[in-house]
Amino acid sequence: EIVLTQSPATLSLSPGERATLSCRASQSVSSYLAWYQQKPGQAPRLLIYDASNRATGIPARFSGSGSGTDFTLTISSLEPEDFAVYYCQQRSNWPLYTFGQGTKLEIK
Amino acid sequence: EVQLVESGGGLVKPGGSLRLSCAASGFTFSSYSMNWVRQAPGKGLEWVSSISSSSSYIYYADSVKGRFTISRDNAKNSLYLQMNSLRAEDTAVYYCARETYCSGGSCYLGWFDPWGQGTLVTVSS
Repeated sequence: EIVLTQSPATLSLSPGERATLSCRASQSVSSYLAWYQQKPGQAPRLLIYDASNRATGIPARFSGSGSGTDFTLTISSLEPEDFAVYYCQQRSNWPLYTFGQGTKLEIK
Repeated sequence: EVQLVESGGGLVKPGGSLRLSCAASGFTFSSYSMNWVRQAPGKGLEWVSSISSSSSYIYYADSVKGRFTISRDNAKNSLYLQMNSLRAEDTAVYYCARETYCSGGSCYLGWFDPWGQGTLVTVSS
């Protein structure tokens, strides 16, 4: 099983600041990594796929980077609606998909 | 509009059974693999099971293998999860999700999109 470890567990920032979220895989997943956003009471929403491609309708302030074992989700300037929990997910070990444990982005 | 709607959740005693359903609309259901993903209260996401478009390939997480059965009815655009021998640790919101993200005429396998709104399963005496 490929384990995804996200850091930090909680990130406290203010609107307008830059957010950097990390996801580390226990073995290489190439570029087969996605990021999801989940708000309270809602289903997850796909933000980034194949490590760096934004899904349709996702604002340009969201960007993904990395390959192999180390990945980053960056939100360039936080908007109030960006405060949520973010999960990474790998598809390298199809069909045994795994998710990271999540990073909670909270308002400081 | 592409949509998934789950139903069938509820309160069940340990050792009991429950059958979840997921109704799909807005896309050609029979062309895509489908999955169940769950989320325990206050916890992260856990992949549960996957079924290919024609039901030829079925996979389960070790945590549910031998107890849960995934199935689909392409004529009814529906996905199912039969859950037997339920345990307290199966308490979670269960989401159905398509295993392929599609945009602008291109599709990308292995990414979950869309998701249903989820249905809560509570296993408690």
